[in-house]
Amino acid sequence: DQQVKQNSPSLSVQEGRISILNCDYTNSMFDYFLWYKKYPAEGPTFLISISSIKDKNEDGRFTVFLNKSAKHLSLHIVPSQPGDSAVYFCAASARKTSYDKVIFGPGTSLSVIP
Amino acid sequence: KAGVTQTPRYLIKTRGQQVTLSCSPISGHRSVSWYQQTPGQGLQFLFEYFSETQRNKGNFPGRFSGRQFSNSRSEMNVSTLELGDSALYLCASSPSRGEKLFFGSGTQLSVL
Repeated sequence: DQQVKQNSPSLSVQEGRISILNCDYTNSMFDYFLWYKKYPAEGPTFLISISSIKDKNEDGRFTVFLNKSAKHLSLHIVPSQPGDSAVYFCAASARKTSYDKVIFGPGTSLSVIP
Repeated sequence: KAGVTQTPRYLIKTRGQQVTLSCSPISGHRSVSWYQQTPGQGLQFLFEYFSETQRNKGNFPGRFSGRQFSNSRSEMNVSTLELGDSALYLCASSPSRGEKLFFGSGTQLSVL
């Protein structure tokens, strides 16, 4: 039962263009969403988060959009840079419940082509 | 502030053996979570400890266990190792439950 889904295992984008990574979730109790970036042989590093009371959060080149009615969120990276090439994980938790563990999606491997 | 430290970095074991992995969280963080990463499976939640108590457990067999000490350091143990246990085991800490996680570099376990 995969509660957080990332249906695109991989994505290739030209340097300077926009990268859009998508994530869907099934548990309507989730109220906090996070994106992590992971390089091989390293632990994931936090990128950006959004609370369910918002529909957009921006941090530099990274913007996360949340559509609660569709149970969908997306991460936009503009402009994309070669150093952004990594695996991106979407994650969610239900902080107001006892089910407050952070659940991760399977990840999307982003390749930014110079 | 030092980050999350996991030891050892690499481990090679044979089937049937047991293994103990260690995690030191960021100072002041009371929640420690463990995840297993295998190719194509993302990060699978193992368990979470908060104030020395297991608060959440993932869908793993009883061979996987853990504990947390009074200084918030945590260990996880896998007994009777199987080939399928080969994975990167990641520890993460956070100041409180369900919040942003800070990950260590992981322990790469290979079972031969």
